[in-house]
Amino acid sequence: SSELTQDPAVSVALGQTVRITCQGDSLRSYYASWYQQKPGQAPVLVIYGKNNRPSGIPDRFSGSSSGNTASLTITGAQAEDEADYYCNSRDSSGNHLDVFGTGTKVTVL
Amino acid sequence: QLQLQESGPGLVKPSETLSLTCTVSGGSISSSSYYWGWIRQPPGKGLEWIGSIYYSGSTYYNPSLKSRVTISVDTSKNQFSLKLSSVTAADTAVYYCARRGGNWNDYDPWGQGTLVTVSS
Repeated sequence: SSELTQDPAVSVALGQTVRITCQGDSLRSYYASWYQQKPGQAPVLVIYGKNNRPSGIPDRFSGSSSGNTASLTITGAQAEDEADYYCNSRDSSGNHLDVFGTGTKVTVL
Repeated sequence: QLQLQESGPGLVKPSETLSLTCTVSGGSISSSSYYWGWIRQPPGKGLEWIGSIYYSGSTYYNPSLKSRVTISVDTSKNQFSLKLSSVTAADTAVYYCARRGGNWNDYDPWGQGTLVTVSS
C-alpha cells in the first residue's frame, strides 16, 4: 500500500505564508485532500481536488501539486490556523483504497 | 445539513469484537454520489483509514486491517457499521465516520468521533 509523508512540524509568523508538503507515489496519479484538526476536534476538510475549498473555508488556504508532492499553502496565517494538518489520497493501486499522511503540526508564532 | 454520529461501546475486552454504528441524518446514505468511511486515530497519533462502503454494499478495506474488518450498510436505517475482530490494546483509538466524495477522496463531513478503549 502507499504511504504519504509529511514534515512533523512547521512554524509560521502571524500574517506570513506557510507551505505544508505531502509526498507519495500515489500523488503522481491522484490529487490530495487536506484536513485541519484542532485539539479534541474531528478533522475538517479544507482543500480537495485540484484546488477546491469547501464552503466556509477561507481563501487563504490553497492547494497545489507537482510530481509526487502535494502542497497546502496558508497565505497570511492567522492564530486560529494553528492545528494539525493531514493530507489524504487514493492508494496508488487506485482501487478505492485511501491513505492518510503522517500529519504536520503548524504553530503560528 | 448532513450530520454523522458514531455510537457503540467505549470499552472492549482484548480478543473481542469492536462494533460501532454511524447514523446519518440530514441526507440519504443511498446517494449514488458518495461513499461512507471509517477512520481512526490512536491517542496522540495520526489518522488511519480503516475502510469505506458504497450504498450498494461494495466495500474497500485497509490491507493492514482487512482480515479483521467488516463494514456494512443498512439503508433502511440510514446507518453504516464497523466491526473489528480480535482487538488488542493497539486498537485503542478515537473512531470517526465520514462521508467520502465519489470523485475526489474528500471526507466531509465527519462525525464527532468516539473513543474506544481496549482493556480487560
